Amino acid sequence: DAGVIQSPRHEVTEMGQEVTLRCKPISGHDYLFWYRQTMMRGLELLIYFNNNVPIDDSGMPEDRFSAKMPNASFSTLKIQPSEPRDSAVYFCASSFQGQLAKNIQYFGAGTRLSVL
Amino acid sequence: AQTVTQSQPEMSVQEAETVTLSCTYDTSESDYYLFWYKQPPSRQMILVIRQEAYKQQNATENRFSVNFQKAAKSFSLKISDSQLGDAAMYFCAYRTRQGGSEKLVFGKGTKLTVNP
Repeated sequence: DAGVIQSPRHEVTEMGQEVTLRCKPISGHDYLFWYRQTMMRGLELLIYFNNNVPIDDSGMPEDRFSAKMPNASFSTLKIQPSEPRDSAVYFCASSFQGQLAKNIQYFGAGTRLSVL
Repeated sequence: AQTVTQSQPEMSVQEAETVTLSCTYDTSESDYYLFWYKQPPSRQMILVIRQEAYKQQNATENRFSVNFQKAAKSFSLKISDSQLGDAAMYFCAYRTRQGGSEKLVFGKGTKLTVNP
C-alpha cells in the first residue's frame, strides 16, 4: 500500500483565496484525521471522521475551515477565505478499528501551506 | 482538558550514546494512553512506542524505552545507542480511554540532533 497520500505537498496562496487540501487514506481504513502543526501550537487535531461521518470537529478553528469526506477513499480540508495565520503544515492520518485499539494512526507526509 | 508539555525544544546526543527526552502531562483521568511519535525530515509521523496507563511495566521497543511515572505524570523517552537515523522531531502524545474518543493531544515536540 502507498500509505496515506496528501496533495499538494506545498501550497502557496494569497490572503483571501480559497485553499483545498486533499487526502487519500489507506484502503480499508475507516477513520480519518486532520491535524495542523505550527511552531506556536504544536500538533492539533482539527477533525476526525469514522465511516465518512464527522465525529469530533471541536478542533476546527473557525467557520472558515470545513472538511468533507464524500467517500471512504477521499477527504478534503477547505479554508475559505485563507489568512496568513493559517500558514502551517496540515497532516492527514488514517486508521481502522483494529489498529486504533492499539492506538496506531498512519500519517501522510503533510501539506505545507503558506498564506501570503 | 488534557495538556502535554515537552520542556526541551532541542536536544543533542553523540552517536552511540544515550539520550532522554522529557514529557509531562496533566489529566484528571486515571485510564489513558501515552505515546511517543517520531517525525523525520520527510514529515511523516511514525509511532515509536506506546504505554497504557494501567500497566506498571515500562514499555520497551528495541533501543527505545520509557520511564512512566504515573503519580508524577511524567513519561520520558530513552533512546539507547543513538543512531544518525534517530535525528528527528519527537512528539509526546496523550489519548483518553474514556468516551470512545480517538483524539490525540500532542506536546510541541523536541528536536533531536545526533552528532557523528
